[in-house]
Amino acid sequence: KNQVEQSPQSLIILEGKNCTLQCNYTVSPFSNLRWYKQDTGRGPVSLTIMTFSENTKSNGRYTATLDADTKQSSLHITASQLSDSASYICVVSPNTGNQFYFGTGTSLTVIP
Amino acid sequence: DSGVTQTPKHLITATGQRVTLRCSPRSGDLSVYWYQQSLDQGLQFLIQYYNGEERAKGNILERFSAQQFPDLHSELNLSSLELGDSALYFCASSPRGLVFYEQFFGPGTRLTVL
Repeated sequence: KNQVEQSPQSLIILEGKNCTLQCNYTVSPFSNLRWYKQDTGRGPVSLTIMTFSENTKSNGRYTATLDADTKQSSLHITASQLSDSASYICVVSPNTGNQFYFGTGTSLTVIP
Repeated sequence: DSGVTQTPKHLITATGQRVTLRCSPRSGDLSVYWYQQSLDQGLQFLIQYYNGEERAKGNILERFSAQQFPDLHSELNLSSLELGDSALYFCASSPRGLVFYEQFFGPGTRLTVL
């Protein structure tokens, strides 16, 4: 069964600190993995898209890693800001048909 | 602002009713996706259209249907509404129809079924 699991479910960190969010998946055969940031009540915004051949991708203070062998990805946020408070969602697609499997997200709160 | 527009922003209706949600993709994007986000199930992919044709189906109920018109805007029709259909419905668009293209999400329509 195609599944995407994210951890932790929620996280509180101090402004300026770094954090790492995890995504494990069983989706197969793998096509790509995306990380989205979703502010409360708004649409998700794409942070990174990674394919099988990519193991690291950065977007400003966000760095995603992918290990396709162990089917794990992480999103590292550096020097967190209050505006990073949001839900971070991992989405995995197989390369058979256009399908999207969503994790339940990690709710990040950055406090001053 | 992603460039994707959705109307209405909020919709309140009763069980058994039918509603239509509308989405206009970014200029030049040919593909439209519909997603449902509920509190207990998170985001779920419903259906994708590419240049007027259905491209892929996800967990879309038989009571739900969608279409994409020649001007590329899309509508999601929800009928025989149940309490459990209360959710945020997002539309996203991308330039082409393949899974590895970036998708741009609209602001969503919040549906409340009473």
